[in-house]
Amino acid sequence: GAVVSQHPSWVICKSGTSVKIECRSLDFQATTMFWYRQFPKQSLMLMATSNEGSKATYEQGVEKDKFLINHASLTLSTLTVTSAHPEDSSFYICSARTTLLGSYNEQFFGPGTRLTVL
Amino acid sequence: GEDVEQSLFLSVREGDSSVINCTYTDSSSTYLYWYKQEPGAGLQLLTYIFSNMDMKQDQRLTVLLNKKDKHLSLRIADTQTGDSAIYFCAERNYNQGGKLIFGQGTELSVKP
Repeated sequence: GAVVSQHPSWVICKSGTSVKIECRSLDFQATTMFWYRQFPKQSLMLMATSNEGSKATYEQGVEKDKFLINHASLTLSTLTVTSAHPEDSSFYICSARTTLLGSYNEQFFGPGTRLTVL
Repeated sequence: GEDVEQSLFLSVREGDSSVINCTYTDSSSTYLYWYKQEPGAGLQLLTYIFSNMDMKQDQRLTVLLNKKDKHLSLRIADTQTGDSAIYFCAERNYNQGGKLIFGQGTELSVKP
């Protein structure tokens, strides 16, 4: 099946610094990538949808200047948490959708990145 | 609406069957999914069902869909300790741009 990787798998940073998380589709081209945030014992909350070569669409309540998303190629999307604060600590999961529209599962998930802001 | 709801916990004995339930509110949902998440990991697709189907079986997994009641269930036969995880149901609604809407997740605990 299709594989999505994330890097790093975990990161600890100081408050006020910026952190970049990479999401790659390893064996398929993803025109659309999604970024989710998950708090402990809770569901996934969609943060934004990014299409290759265009600006990301953010969900209501998600600050686009705080969570910068770049989808520069069909296999790579990045999420940068700018000026991170402890409340940004969370598990961030990306997902990539293939160009095969109408497929039952055209969306594949990465393993997640645990961000801890001290 | 876009609510997908699940019970939060389920505990079973090894070898028993597990049934995880899910309700959704959007009748125009097309595909419905079950995902498994192990601690500290991403989501693994277990199975899916198209909205015009009533049932789907895949080895130990059986999905039942009652479209009238907007109720989805996942039955795991002969549950093993390795099945312990959080299970999310999700609906995909192309009228909402194809977004996946997730339930809160059901934590399944399998005791030996």
